[in-house]
Amino acid sequence: DVKVTQSSRYLVKRTGEKVFLECVQDMDHENMFWYRQDPGLGLRLIYFSYDVKMKEKGDIPEGYSVSREKKERFSLILESASTNQTSMYLCASSTLLGSPYEQYFGPGTRLTVT
Amino acid sequence: GQNIDQPTEMTATEGAIVQINCTYQTSGFNGLFWYQQHAGEAPTFLSYNVLDGLEEKGRFSSFLSRSKGYSYLLLKELQMKDSASYLCAVRDRGRGSTLGRLYFGRGTQLTVWP
Repeated sequence: DVKVTQSSRYLVKRTGEKVFLECVQDMDHENMFWYRQDPGLGLRLIYFSYDVKMKEKGDIPEGYSVSREKKERFSLILESASTNQTSMYLCASSTLLGSPYEQYFGPGTRLTVT
Repeated sequence: GQNIDQPTEMTATEGAIVQINCTYQTSGFNGLFWYQQHAGEAPTFLSYNVLDGLEEKGRFSSFLSRSKGYSYLLLKELQMKDSASYLCAVRDRGRGSTLGRLYFGRGTQLTVWP
């Protein structure tokens, strides 16, 4: 079974803090993704990575950055947390080998910025 | 970008059949996914369609019409545990580095009553 893990289920941070969210997958997947999920807005892609050290912006990259130094790990960084970044953050991974290339999701991190 | 539309909410009774529709507009279609997400949990993969027609998997079936930009998820013999949000997602052709990127609808919250 594919396993995607995220470093925290719940996180509370103060405005202006630098926040790191970590995601690890154990299936040697090439692609990794960071989403945020808000009521009424659905899943929105922040950043994704298709290889080590490679990244591409999603639909809402402002205020975020990412790092992928190893294939299994994809980090989301909030450089200076703001209250409008309070959200559920979901990490996912997928392979390029073997249809249908579905994405496997981690359990999510509920981040509250006060 | 993509435009994916699905109803916000649906209700049904235990034992019934429910159909959740999804319409989409995409510049280069390359597959449609359905995910199930229970409250507070990660989305889990349900089905995948890339060719026209019906894909059946137990109590769940998914249909695709590429010419109409339309899909539906059919749930039979509804059970209380089917109460969840159902997410429609479309993958476009993109370019090599974006293969595997999904565009999600906002989700349909299904409530199953006893």
